[in-house]
Amino acid sequence: AQSVSQHNHHVILSEAASLELGCNYSYGGTVNLFWYVQYPGQHLQLLLKYFSGDPLVKGIKGFEAEFIKSKFSFNLRKPSVQWSDTAEYFCAVIGGPGGGADGLTFGKGTHLIIQP
Amino acid sequence: KAGVTQTPRYLIKTRGQQVTLSCSPISGHRSVSWYQQTPGQGLQFLFEYFSETQRNKGNFPGRFSGRQFSNSRSEMNVSTLELGDSALYLCASSFGLAGLQFFGPGTRLTVL
Repeated sequence: AQSVSQHNHHVILSEAASLELGCNYSYGGTVNLFWYVQYPGQHLQLLLKYFSGDPLVKGIKGFEAEFIKSKFSFNLRKPSVQWSDTAEYFCAVIGGPGGGADGLTFGKGTHLIIQP
Repeated sequence: KAGVTQTPRYLIKTRGQQVTLSCSPISGHRSVSWYQQTPGQGLQFLFEYFSETQRNKGNFPGRFSGRQFSNSRSEMNVSTLELGDSALYLCASSFGLAGLQFFGPGTRLTVL
């Protein structure tokens, strides 16, 4: 079955620092990749997605992610974080040995805290 | 468009009881997926319904079941509740099968 690893469970940064959150998945082939964000007290929201084409995808609020197929990675980046970026970030994959039959497979999440 | 809605938002049940959760997808979306979110296991896929049929199923016991109605609304049922079923249950809708999913706010189930 597909699995997703997020390398950092807790990240603390100061405002204006650059951010990179790692995400690796286990099974190649055709996959669709996502980053979701969960702000405190709010529901999961889509940050960005990759289906095909340009491996560098841009999302909302200045976030971007790069799909590197050879490394099975889909890392999230933001050049300058803000206090309002404090949230839980989830990497998710659909596809793999079961195709889409396993639904979205999520990583365990990264709790990001931005200090003013 | 209105987003995915879930009712109720909070539930408290005791062991052995059963519970039914409801999800209304975004208008025009025909697929509804359910996920369980716990601190220990994270987000795990329960099942997906499309055109009133269960199309995909995660690795959960048969106590977890669901259905989808002709208007795409979906219900999830958990029978014989166990303490370990305490979780946030999330519903997501998408236009097509295994498509881009949009999540609702979840139902927080507490089993005492």
